[in-house]
Amino acid sequence: AQKITQTQPGMFVQEKEAVTLDCTYDTSDQSYGLFWYKQPSSGEMIFLIYQGSYDEQNATEGRYSLNFQKARKSANLVISASQLGDSAMYFCAMREPFDKIIFGKGTRLHILP
Amino acid sequence: GAGVSQSPSNKVTEKGKDVELRCDPISGHTALYWYRQSLGQGLEFLIYFQGNSAPDKSGLPSDRFSAERTGGSVSTLTIQRTQQEDSAVYLCASSLTRSSYGYTFGSGTRLTVV
Repeated sequence: AQKITQTQPGMFVQEKEAVTLDCTYDTSDQSYGLFWYKQPSSGEMIFLIYQGSYDEQNATEGRYSLNFQKARKSANLVISASQLGDSAMYFCAMREPFDKIIFGKGTRLHILP
Repeated sequence: GAGVSQSPSNKVTEKGKDVELRCDPISGHTALYWYRQSLGQGLEFLIYFQGNSAPDKSGLPSDRFSAERTGGSVSTLTIQRTQQEDSAVYLCASSLTRSSYGYTFGSGTRLTVV
């Protein structure tokens, strides 16, 4: 069974608008970590944000925030005031205790001028 | 070094030949991971090293794939008798401990099998 599901293969968003990238996950562990990575066309993987399963507050890093809804097993990434440089592939990922990180298939985000 | 270093950055090889891909993790990082990314696809886990523990090889797609990590630092991923379906970007990442969050990725090796 797929552990990380990203249902949006591609999205087009107007510059300066906010965008939400969807991610749902599946685990039976109580302790886990959730991540978002950005991969621009250059191919590098850039760590954006992390949310621990026991963290009470949603994680935020600058323009990025993670909308964590534990009961729904949802970890959506919200980018406020999108910029042209945000155009990239975005991967949601999860790590169970003492294990490797498993990635979703990604969402390709296009920011339109 | 300051980041995870992978070499070569690009490799073109003939079908049936063996290739070796190298990863030099961040100094002091005890955990090292290999992933494969086919064109336009997500990251596929291959293998995971943690300190002196036996590696997690559960993601290796066939016995043509193997990896080693010498002295708890540099890792080599070897693909024997390469096939066209092996063409992909091979990404290496390292982290401080296996319980820490977030990896630092290298820039990858783009392998093309012709």
